[in-house]
Amino acid sequence: KQEVTQIPAALSVPEGENLVLNCSFTDSAIYNLQWFRQDPGKGLTSLLLIQSSQREQTSGRLNASLDKSSGRSTLYIAASQPGDSATYLCAVRVIGGGNKLTFGTGTQLKVEL
Amino acid sequence: EAGVVQSPRYKIIEKKQPVAFWCNPISGHNTLYWYLQNLGQGPELLIRYENEEAVDDSQLPKDRFSAERLKGVDSTLKIQPAELGDSAVYLCASSLGHTEGETQYFGPGTRLLVL
Repeated sequence: KQEVTQIPAALSVPEGENLVLNCSFTDSAIYNLQWFRQDPGKGLTSLLLIQSSQREQTSGRLNASLDKSSGRSTLYIAASQPGDSATYLCAVRVIGGGNKLTFGTGTQLKVEL
Repeated sequence: EAGVVQSPRYKIIEKKQPVAFWCNPISGHNTLYWYLQNLGQGPELLIRYENEEAVDDSQLPKDRFSAERLKGVDSTLKIQPAELGDSAVYLCASSLGHTEGETQYFGPGTRLLVL
């Protein structure tokens, strides 16, 4: 059974700091890995999707890496802003899983002024 | 283009009462998913539909939960009777249904509180 773990569970940083969120998964037979953002009381917004054949994806100040063999992904946020405050979830799609997403428990990020 | 629409956004009921959630997926999306998200946890899949067929309902507690997608578009998720432990956010998502590994688009969720 695929298990996804995210560390840390919560993080508080001052504005402008660069930060790294970690995600690990137990089964490397994945189609892809996706990072989502969830604001309080709202649904999930897709940030980056990395295919299993890719090593990283970038969008603006966000960079996600994937090391499938070791079962790890990182989300790097550059020059953090208060508007980045949210919960960040990673999720994997297991091959043969019918497009089912298996999520981690999330990292709750707070960027302070 | 409208995203995934869910209603109601919030629902408060007493235990043992029935409750229903509605989802309208993105137009043209054949696959529809219902996820359950407990506080402080990631979403977990309850059921997945390909058009009107439920192709994965292994995580759906069938003693009290039911779902339907009669015409392969809108879907309803029902709980009867609700229990205190059902308090959570119920998320609906949809995808095109063309390829495995394709992106899912999530609705805002229905936040349920059972008293």
